[in-house]
Amino acid sequence: AQSVTQLGSHVSVSEGALVLLRCNYSSSVPPYLFWYVQYPNQGLQLLLKYTTGATLVKGINGFEAEFKKSETSFHLTKPSAHMSDAAEYFCAVSLGGSQGNLIFGKGTKLSVKP
Amino acid sequence: GAGVSQTPSNKVTEKGKYVELRCDPISGHTALYWYRQSLGQGPEFLIYFQGTGAADDSGLPNDRFFAVRPEGSVSTLKIQRTERGDSAVYLCASSVGTSNSPLHFGNGTRLTVT
Repeated sequence: AQSVTQLGSHVSVSEGALVLLRCNYSSSVPPYLFWYVQYPNQGLQLLLKYTTGATLVKGINGFEAEFKKSETSFHLTKPSAHMSDAAEYFCAVSLGGSQGNLIFGKGTKLSVKP
Repeated sequence: GAGVSQTPSNKVTEKGKYVELRCDPISGHTALYWYRQSLGQGPEFLIYFQGTGAADDSGLPNDRFFAVRPEGSVSTLKIQRTERGDSAVYLCASSVGTSNSPLHFGNGTRLTVT
């Protein structure tokens, strides 16, 4: 059965600092992996996804994630945090390769300090 | 263009009452999904429609929950005999319908059962 673990329900960084949000998954089949972002009072928005091919995936707003099969990880990074990055971030894994039937982690709330 | 629209944005009801939550997907999107997000948790899959039919309803927690999509566009999630544990944000998402198409989420309906 698939599952997703996000380490840290809250992460706080200073503006300009590295952002690292951790995600580990378990899956009995090759996974499709996703990061979604939820800004205050807005719906979930796809940040980036890994399906097949290149393991380093680039998304919107300067974020990227690397699929590491040996570590069953898909950590999200951004070299330099902006105040506008403050949001809640969700890692998700698909069921059966579909991009719609997703299992989400519990989310990590990112705060950015000036 | 218009995104996924969910109404109402907030719903307060008494325990034991019946509620209906509505989702208007993006025009032309054949796939529609319902998720539920409880406080402090990630979204949890409920049901998936491809066109008018429920392709996967394995996430519905019990027979008090039911969803329809009679014309392949608007969907209604129906909850009978509501319980306090049903309190959550109910999210709707739609996609073009192919296995590689990402989900577009609405802002959700916050249901509170008193």
